[in-house]
Amino acid sequence: DAGVIQSPRHEVTEMGQEVTLRCKPISGHDYLFWYRQTMMRGLELLIYFNNNVPIDDSGMPEDRFSAKMPNASFSTLKIQPSEPRDSAVYFCASSFGAAWGYTFGSGTRLTVV
Amino acid sequence: QQPVQSPQAVILREGEDAVINCSSSKALYSVHWYRQKHGEAPVFLMILLKGGEQKGHEKISASFNEKKQQSSLYLTASQLSYSGTYFCGTRSGNKLVFGAGTILRVKS
Repeated sequence: DAGVIQSPRHEVTEMGQEVTLRCKPISGHDYLFWYRQTMMRGLELLIYFNNNVPIDDSGMPEDRFSAKMPNASFSTLKIQPSEPRDSAVYFCASSFGAAWGYTFGSGTRLTVV
Repeated sequence: QQPVQSPQAVILREGEDAVINCSSSKALYSVHWYRQKHGEAPVFLMILLKGGEQKGHEKISASFNEKKQQSSLYLTASQLSYSGTYFCGTRSGNKLVFGAGTILRVKS
């Protein structure tokens, strides 16, 4: 299995631009999580899906952030418009059931200038 | 509520032991442990379930004290490859809340 696949690995964009991060979970995993990691705030859960349905988006910072999961093998996290404070590493993770270990993707390092 | 990890950082020489603690103000039903190396993604080590059942990594052990709402990760005879940041995660509903992490550095 190729694991959780995220793209791009690095993204540098100008303030105000739209950014789309992509994630392909492990086949058969029914939970998908989006986390953001910064030095100041650590690993924060943004949103998670169960069977492609968004369950809890209480961690999404504001309306500029949106996430979708159109099918079991693909999810996107979109920031529009982006701001410098959105600079962070964004991880996607998947799991089989909510109670078991998560497999994280390699992450997308986002820099907004 | 975010679990509290201690210590924040620890430096060891190869072969020494270390203990990393994770405590919660809420009742714990399970605790996850992950290790993240610099510039990489967190990697699942093991899960501790209420009732004492342990799963996951064989070379690193952990305990789970439900009464104290605490879990401890034990790294014995540390190796250079153990270096990284260790996170515990506690469950809140169906989502995992991570502690701030413990930085472990093993020197030769």
